[in-house]
Amino acid sequence: KAGVTQTPRYLIKTRGQQVTLSCSPISGHRSVSWYQQTPGQGLQFLFEYFSETQRNKGNFPGRFSGRQFSNSRSEMNVSTLELGDSALYLCASSWGGTSGSNEQFFGPGTRLTVL
Amino acid sequence: DAKTTQPNSMESNEEEPVHLPCNHSTISGTDYIHWYRQLPSQGPEYVIHGLTSNVNNRMASLAIAEDRKSSTLILHRATLRDAAVYYCILSGNQFYFGTGTSLTVIP
Repeated sequence: KAGVTQTPRYLIKTRGQQVTLSCSPISGHRSVSWYQQTPGQGLQFLFEYFSETQRNKGNFPGRFSGRQFSNSRSEMNVSTLELGDSALYLCASSWGGTSGSNEQFFGPGTRLTVL
Repeated sequence: DAKTTQPNSMESNEEEPVHLPCNHSTISGTDYIHWYRQLPSQGPEYVIHGLTSNVNNRMASLAIAEDRKSSTLILHRATLRDAAVYYCILSGNQFYFGTGTSLTVIP
C-alpha cells in the first residue's frame, strides 16, 4: 500500500506570493490533517478535512486555507507569504473516525522557504 | 496549546531499555495517549497508543498511570535506529504535539 505523498518536496517563494501544497492520502483514508513544523514552535496543527469538509481547525490566520477533493486528496494554500511561514508542512492521513484512537500516517513533508 | 510535558533530551546505551516519561495532568476522559517519533528529515511515525490500560506492540510498550496523568514509553532494547524525537500526544479532536524528547542512543 502506497504511503502518504506530498508535492512538491521543496519550494522557494518570496514574500507576498502565494503557494499551494498537495497531499495524497493512503488509499481508503478519508481524513487529511495538515501541520506546520518550525524550530521555534514545533509541530502545530493547522486543520483537518474529512469527506471534503473542514472538521477541525487550529489557531492560524485566515491566510492559511485548505480543501479536500472527492478522492480525498487535499491541498493547502498560503496567501501573502511572510518570512515566518518558512517551515516544513506535513500532511497526515487516517481512516477518519471521530474516536481519538485513529493512527495518523504522515507524509515526508514539503519544505517551504520564504525569501 | 500543548498539553503534554516531556524532558527535552535523554540518552541511552545501545541494547539497554529506555523509559521516556510524559506528564499530561489536564487529560480528559476521552483523550487517547499517542506516541510518535520523528527521525531526521522524515515525517513523524506512529509508535503506540492507549486509553487506560498498558499496551504492548512490536515496537514498544506504553505504561499508563492509574490516574492517567502520566505515561511512560518503554523501548525494551534501544538500537541506533531508535535515535529520534519522541512525541507524547493527547488526541481529542486534534493532535496536540508537545516539544518532544530527543533520544540519543550511545553505541
